[in-house]
Amino acid sequence: SAVISQKPSRDICQRGTSLTIQCQVDSQVTMMFWYRQQPGQSLTLIATANQGSEATYESGFVIDKFPISRPNLTFSTLTVSNMSPEDSSIYLCSVEVVAGTEAFFGQGTRLTVV
Amino acid sequence: AQTVTQSQPEMSVQEAETVTLSCTYDTSESNYYLFWYKQPPSRQMILVIRQEAYKQQNATENRFSVNFQKAAKSFSLKISDSQLGDTAMYFCAFMAVSGTYKYIFGTGTRLKVLA
Repeated sequence: SAVISQKPSRDICQRGTSLTIQCQVDSQVTMMFWYRQQPGQSLTLIATANQGSEATYESGFVIDKFPISRPNLTFSTLTVSNMSPEDSSIYLCSVEVVAGTEAFFGQGTRLTVV
Repeated sequence: AQTVTQSQPEMSVQEAETVTLSCTYDTSESNYYLFWYKQPPSRQMILVIRQEAYKQQNATENRFSVNFQKAAKSFSLKISDSQLGDTAMYFCAFMAVSGTYKYIFGTGTRLKVLA
């Protein structure tokens, strides 16, 4: 199993600013995933973050807007850059200790952009 | 491309009763995994049950069981003896064995268990 600590749990930010979300895992994992979830809706994958290589972004998400760091096997950050109200959402990080078995999720970061 | 469809946006069930949540998916893959995840109001997503596509036997976990119909591409979740703590959003998810091990999530079913 894996325990994920995600920070901050919520934030209210001014438009045009950036917010960095941190995800710390209690064990070493190869892949970490970042999702966006509108309240009451499904999860949309933003990118997959592998240690030692650049993140792989899904269609509709770009590195300039959502830069990701993965400095080691237990930690990753997602930055939401130049925020607008449309970026208001819940952001979740997730890992799989063994691929295809079970995903573990952070508590999520509820972001409100005003 | 794979898709996952949950046709029931909201459902409710009386405590101690049984409820079935529907999920259909579309894929050309032959080997894959299917999952049901639960997201209670606290937001922490947790795994409910998992099914490997090559296994014909339906997975069960205590009060939770699935009806996996591979030919029909259907994967429903049955919750028996519903409890108030089962109130949550339930997501059906697909993962192909080949490729990048990414999840494809359905749109979710909000389940409310009534006292």
